[in-house]
Amino acid sequence: QKEVEQNSGPLSVPEGAIASLNCTYSDRVSQSFFWYRQYSGKSPELIMSIYSNGDKEDGRFTAQLNKASQYVSLLIRDSQPSDSATYLCAGNAGGTSYGKLTFGQGTILTVHP
Amino acid sequence: DAGVTQSPTHLIKTRGQQVTLRCSPISGHKSVSWYQQVLGQGPQFIFQYYEKEERGRGNFPDRFSARQFPNYSSELNVNALLLGDSALYLCASSLGPGNQPQHFGDGTRLSIL
Repeated sequence: QKEVEQNSGPLSVPEGAIASLNCTYSDRVSQSFFWYRQYSGKSPELIMSIYSNGDKEDGRFTAQLNKASQYVSLLIRDSQPSDSATYLCAGNAGGTSYGKLTFGQGTILTVHP
Repeated sequence: DAGVTQSPTHLIKTRGQQVTLRCSPISGHKSVSWYQQVLGQGPQFIFQYYEKEERGRGNFPDRFSARQFPNYSSELNVNALLLGDSALYLCASSLGPGNQPQHFGDGTRLSIL
């Protein structure tokens, strides 16, 4: 099993819909999780971080973490065409792995008008 | 406030050459991490430095080395370049090591001919 796996894409949603992006992880990556957005040809931009079980909301974004199921997700409400990008899930194992972020392969999201 | 700055933005080298990439962290951030991203994949961890000491190393050959300076800026060096080293090299800074959120610079796109 890969340390961090994201649901296969690409994902296409209509404008105004909820986009749901999912990520599962192994025991080796279990401390904290981050969602990054990466536009084509650009670098990753941090949009959410989550450290404990439950939901965390920031504007149109909600991150959900379920450590028992080793599952983390990102919901984007009222999706806009400007949300079209690759979304990267990253986990941090902490401990001796310290600041190492392990990324999934990314999910391409397209929001069509 | 300035974000993470990287230089150069683009670089073209030939096989066997050596390259040095530079990174200045966000003001107040003391930790710098380096990642390699090839097309279609998530970034891969190379190094993390904190207070001028290496705090983590990814699965990269010894041709890759880095250092951090007293002002917290960092350099990544790659020797004996191979075609497979062609990638986007990303620098990320954080307040400290461990679970702190990491913020990426725009990256250096390295092409090996």
